[in-house]
Parts: sequence; structure tokens; C-alpha cells
Amino acid sequence: RKEVEQDPGPFNVPEGATVAFNCTYSNSASQSFFWYRQDCRKEPKLLMSVYSSGNEDGRFTAQLNRASQYISLLIRDSKLSDSATYLCVVTASGGSYIPTFGRGTSLIVHP
Amino acid sequence: EAGVTQFPSHSVIEKGQTVTLRCDPISGHDNLYWYRRVMGKEIKFLLHFVKESKQDESGMPNNRFLAERTGGTYSTLKVQPAELEDSGVYFCASSQFMSPQEAEGEQYFGPGTRLTVT
Repeated sequence: RKEVEQDPGPFNVPEGATVAFNCTYSNSASQSFFWYRQDCRKEPKLLMSVYSSGNEDGRFTAQLNRASQYISLLIRDSKLSDSATYLCVVTASGGSYIPTFGRGTSLIVHP
Repeated sequence: EAGVTQFPSHSVIEKGQTVTLRCDPISGHDNLYWYRRVMGKEIKFLLHFVKESKQDESGMPNNRFLAERTGGTYSTLKVQPAELEDSGVYFCASSQFMSPQEAEGEQYFGPGTRLTVT
């Protein structure tokens, strides 16, 4: 079983739609959780951290469920510019807080 | 403020040759990370520097890979001799804080070096 699993998609949605991605992790000692966005042939960029209480940033909402060991990302009112790959990143405690990346979920927003 | 830069952007070498990748982190960032993404796979951690010291190199594939960060500024990743399976995109990232609990935990990634070994 992979340490961090994501549905690769692609999720193909029309503009204005709401779309949600889930990411499951296997290490129960995981402490920090992030969503990164990666555009085609570009570097990953932090989209948002995921807090235990859940957090929202504009059209984006992230949730953490420690009991079931998954995090989610909800995008409301999708824009064409939201098309990208969304990477789930989980960091476990240890000497170096090594991040573990999921393979990413591809989102395509069409007119 | 300049971001993380990497050089070269692309490198095509033959099996058995040597390649050296360079990363310049954001000024003032003590933490520097190397990652690799093989086609079709997830991004994998290689190693982590804090200033000039290797904090964790558990992700380094084998002894053909050597990373250095002399002076705690830029870092180099040398692959010698290169093998076909070393092909991929090598990302460097830097951050100001070590622990995610100390800050947002954001790592700033460079644009990557696309390495092709033929």
C-alpha cells in the first residue's frame, strides 16, 4: 500500500462546478498535511496547509480526518485557471520531517 | 525576491557519464531539499540539508549520488556514473523553517532539472 494515495483522475469538470479530491495516508504518525498545485512541466507550489479544524481560503476548502486518515480538497466555482495537478503532501514526525508526496490528481476545467 | 533557481534546466547525457546539478535556494533559507520525480511516479525525497550539514539523506538511491552544500549556500547533486533509471526531473526546494509546526511548512520549489540518460 502506498504511503499517500490519490485518485489520479483526470477530473473533467465545467466552469463553475464544485469538485472534491481525497487523499489517504497510511502513517498514523503523520503530523502535517498540505495541498500543492503543479502546473504542467512546472514546479509544485503550496496551495494550502491543512489544519485539524479544517480551513478555507477563498474558493478552496481543506479538511483533515485523522480517524480515517484522509485529507480532502474542495474547489468551488471552478475556473479554467484551476486546471492543474493537485498534490497531496504528508509529513511525519522524525528528525527531518520528510514530506511524502502523492502522485497527484489531475483537474481539467473546461468552458 | 529571487526564487529557487536550478541549473541546468535540461541535461541529456549518455549512460556512464557524470552530471552535476546545481541549486541556489532562496537567500536566508537554511533548509534545502532535493527531490526526484521519475516519469509516471510521485515526487520522492532524496535528502535534506540544514545549512551545510546533511540532516537526512535516507532517500538517496545509492552511492552514485553525491550531494554537497559547501558554505551552506548553493547545493550540487552529482550523479556518477549515470544509469538509465536516473532519468527524471530533479527538484530542489528550500524553506526557512525546519519544522512544519514552526511555520506553514512551505517549501519553495525550483523549476527542476530534467535529466535524460540515454
